Amino acid sequence: ETGVTQSPTHLIKTRGQQVTLRCSSQSGHNTVSWYQQALGQGPQFIFQYYREEENGRGNFPPRFSGLQFPNYSSELNVNALELDDSALYLCASSSLAGLTDTQYFGPGTRLTVL
Amino acid sequence: AQSVTQLGSHVSVSEGALVLLRCNYSSSVPPYLFWYVQYPNQGLQLLLKYTSAATLVKGINGFEAEFKKSETSFHLTKPSAHMSDAAEYFCAVSAGGTSYGKLTFGQGTILTVHP
Repeated sequence: ETGVTQSPTHLIKTRGQQVTLRCSSQSGHNTVSWYQQALGQGPQFIFQYYREEENGRGNFPPRFSGLQFPNYSSELNVNALELDDSALYLCASSSLAGLTDTQYFGPGTRLTVL
Repeated sequence: AQSVTQLGSHVSVSEGALVLLRCNYSSSVPPYLFWYVQYPNQGLQLLLKYTSAATLVKGINGFEAEFKKSETSFHLTKPSAHMSDAAEYFCAVSAGGTSYGKLTFGQGTILTVHP
């Protein structure tokens, strides 16, 4: 157990809908990163939040957006869902106070877009 | 820009045999390197990481990896495979500083262990 939780576990949406995924970071961590893992692929970096500000973004379109709250939990929002958005979405928490601190991953949210 | 190539999408070994999972990286800055393991329907668990200290890194569950700058490699090894090692393994790279933690992953290697 890493202390990082994600909700919901599974989600089914239809194309064009919007979805919000949630992540609670490990106690004491101020940084949350989100990754998309398509079936049979390695995770791809979406973006990172540090102290409620976006701190870097991967090659994902603007319809992928996020938030980080004062308690350092985070949301990933995806608008106008496409079939290719079907994937496992992982969040990872860490503390940038220690620049080589370990990232701890949550169990993921499995999103299916029909 | 950074990238990771994992050689072999599937590796099969017998229980008790040597495990060798290959990872080559490309990075324009000194890299930080990681190996993660993923069991079915679970998130990622860190096995070990290289952060510019000792080039031979020991991790959990008997795994270790050696950073070889001249070969741009970070191969994962374990002397004796257990059935419980069957899982998917990912090599990842990041830069340092404020880019630390923004990981670029390889495609993964599925390890099968035969009795």
